[in-house]
Amino acid sequence: GQQVMQIPQYQHVQEGEDFTTYCNSSTTLSNIQWYKQRPGGHPVFLIQLVKSGEVKKQKRLTFQFGEAKKNSSLHITATQTTDVGTYFCAGPTGGGNKLTFGTGTQLKVEL
Amino acid sequence: EADIYQTPRYLVIGTGKKITLECSQTMGHDKMYWYQQDPGMELHLIHYSYGVNSTEKGDLSSESTVSRIRTEHFPLTLESARPSHTSQYLCASSGTGPHEQYFGPGTRLTVT
Repeated sequence: GQQVMQIPQYQHVQEGEDFTTYCNSSTTLSNIQWYKQRPGGHPVFLIQLVKSGEVKKQKRLTFQFGEAKKNSSLHITATQTTDVGTYFCAGPTGGGNKLTFGTGTQLKVEL
Repeated sequence: EADIYQTPRYLVIGTGKKITLECSQTMGHDKMYWYQQDPGMELHLIHYSYGVNSTEKGDLSSESTVSRIRTEHFPLTLESARPSHTSQYLCASSGTGPHEQYFGPGTRLTVT
């Protein structure tokens, strides 16, 4: 079945440093979604990318969908303590009605 | 305000007990999902539903069962809880098409 891997699994940064997580799918995706889960919380939708090579920005967050639509990345510029959490990518399966979530990248930001 | 609710938020129960985890959404979404997630780990889909009277097993085998008698309600039942069922259970819903999923706050289950 479809597998979605993310690297790194963990990342510790100093506040103000940049952060990037990479998402790789074993199959071509029609779209890719990103979610953020704060410690002790539930996943919250961030964004969806649909087009090959698409780049979207949300303030300090930049999301990119690969040309082959099999990989994606999330880059955070100048991290803040509010960025702490686990970031998941997710790709549709089952005709688009289900999501396969990636393995997640846990981000810790130290002052 | 449209939202998705889960009760209880926390549950500690003894081995062999029957439990039902409740999930309700007010968004009129046809699709609903149950995920199991251990702390800091990935989400595993255990059940999903495309609408009333439609339920399917997910990618991760689970001893739980679900029902979908009403659009807004998608409860999950464990007939006989075991320590291996200790985990967080997250309910989610989504609208028509490749839409994002909205998650409830989760139920943290501990079976002693």
